[in-house]
Amino acid sequence: GAVVSQHPSWVICKSGTSVKIECRSLDFQATTMFWYRQFPKQSLMLMATSNEGSKATYEQGVEKDKFLINHASLTLSTLTVTSAHPEDSSFYICSASRGSGGNSYNEQFFGPGTRLTVL
Amino acid sequence: GDSVTQMEGPVTLSEEAFLTINCTYTATGYPSLFWYVQYPGEGLQLLLKATKADDKGSNKGFEATYRKETTSFHLEKGSVQVSDSAVYFCALSVRSNYQLIWGAGTKLIIKP
Repeated sequence: GAVVSQHPSWVICKSGTSVKIECRSLDFQATTMFWYRQFPKQSLMLMATSNEGSKATYEQGVEKDKFLINHASLTLSTLTVTSAHPEDSSFYICSASRGSGGNSYNEQFFGPGTRLTVL
Repeated sequence: GDSVTQMEGPVTLSEEAFLTINCTYTATGYPSLFWYVQYPGEGLQLLLKATKADDKGSNKGFEATYRKETTSFHLEKGSVQVSDSAVYFCALSVRSNYQLIWGAGTKLIIKP
């Protein structure tokens, strides 16, 4: 149980185009989903946190107009990289949690990641 | 700010060797500490966790003890196997909305 999928697993696009990445929780309802970005040999950087049905909360320095996040259902969140440029090339990882708030930690379940290359 | 530092890899060991991957942290308050593992081609998985000082997390033969005095959470295993080859991430959480702060990851290579 607690499987999270991402689609596509890799994508190559031209500069200026938009790319959508899907994150799905396959066997549980994800109240909260997270989007991370990982650079080579670096740690995961949290981009934004989204709760189902509400606007995403973006981390400082992340452009909300460039990285559009939608969490329209309890099993699906999407990240759209708009007008992509080569510097957006990276590994994007999503995670999902059953938790909805409070002070206790709820485990995050991670997708396998999406490799984006912008030419 | 809060941060996690873990030893750089890759770490290459022979099968049945003893493993230690160092992890130290800086945090305000009282963080929870985690080790995640990423096997080739798979998503990150929680390996073990500890939520307060002196707690020991353990799973699949791996152990890590939450040491507040040294702000450390080193990962250990007495006898590694080829199947343990993966990237290991140390992380902490101090915020109530489950956000994790990550180390850079350590790639572990076990040779038969």
